[in-house]
Amino acid sequence: SYELTQPPSVSVSPGQTAIITCSGEKLGERYTSWYQQRPGQSPVLVIYQDRKRPSGIPERFSGSNSGNTATLTISGTQTMDESDYYCQAWDSNSGVVFGGGTKLTVL
Amino acid sequence: QVQLVDSGGGLVKPGGSLRLSCVASGFSFSDSYMSWIRQAPGKGLEWVSYISPADSTIYYADSVKGRFIISRDNTKNSLFLQMNSLRAADTAVYFCARARLDTAMTPYFDSWGQGSLVTVAS
Repeated sequence: SYELTQPPSVSVSPGQTAIITCSGEKLGERYTSWYQQRPGQSPVLVIYQDRKRPSGIPERFSGSNSGNTATLTISGTQTMDESDYYCQAWDSNSGVVFGGGTKLTVL
Repeated sequence: QVQLVDSGGGLVKPGGSLRLSCVASGFSFSDSYMSWIRQAPGKGLEWVSYISPADSTIYYADSVKGRFIISRDNTKNSLFLQMNSLRAADTAVYFCARARLDTAMTPYFDSWGQGSLVTVAS
């Protein structure tokens, strides 16, 4: 089955750039989406099709995908960005696949 | 605006059954791909099932295949998940979500319900 691997946690200081990675075999050949989930809330789509932002998502959120790694970058990180982040892709055998999630701490 | 309201969760004994519902509003439900995604307490997201607008395409995760059935009633803007032979490992918050297709015709999820908690315990 296809797997996506994320670091369990990432820490960043306010105003700095947070980088969250998502690794999978030939992930760059698939589209990757990213979701933000605050405690007790439903997930929110922040990036789709590797680098597109839904309306209402701040420009500080950006994405890229190449080789075996997709990356979510949050520029000028704010305390409100402290959340869990999940990557997601599609595999023809496994279906929808989510990464294990990354807890972003802003301190 | 797009709204998805999940319901039907509760406490059920191992081996029992439960039916989840999701009522949609604010968009053309009959033209939309829909999905169920779950999250066990303190754990990550796990995709459960996916259905095309006219029921012609249905997928299940291996963990629920043969036990869960996804369905929809486009006349009532409703999505359902019939869960049978429930196990403790099925304990989770279940979210319904609208799926959109990217240019490679693969899904991503742009709207989510508030979630419905299913607890399987004796």
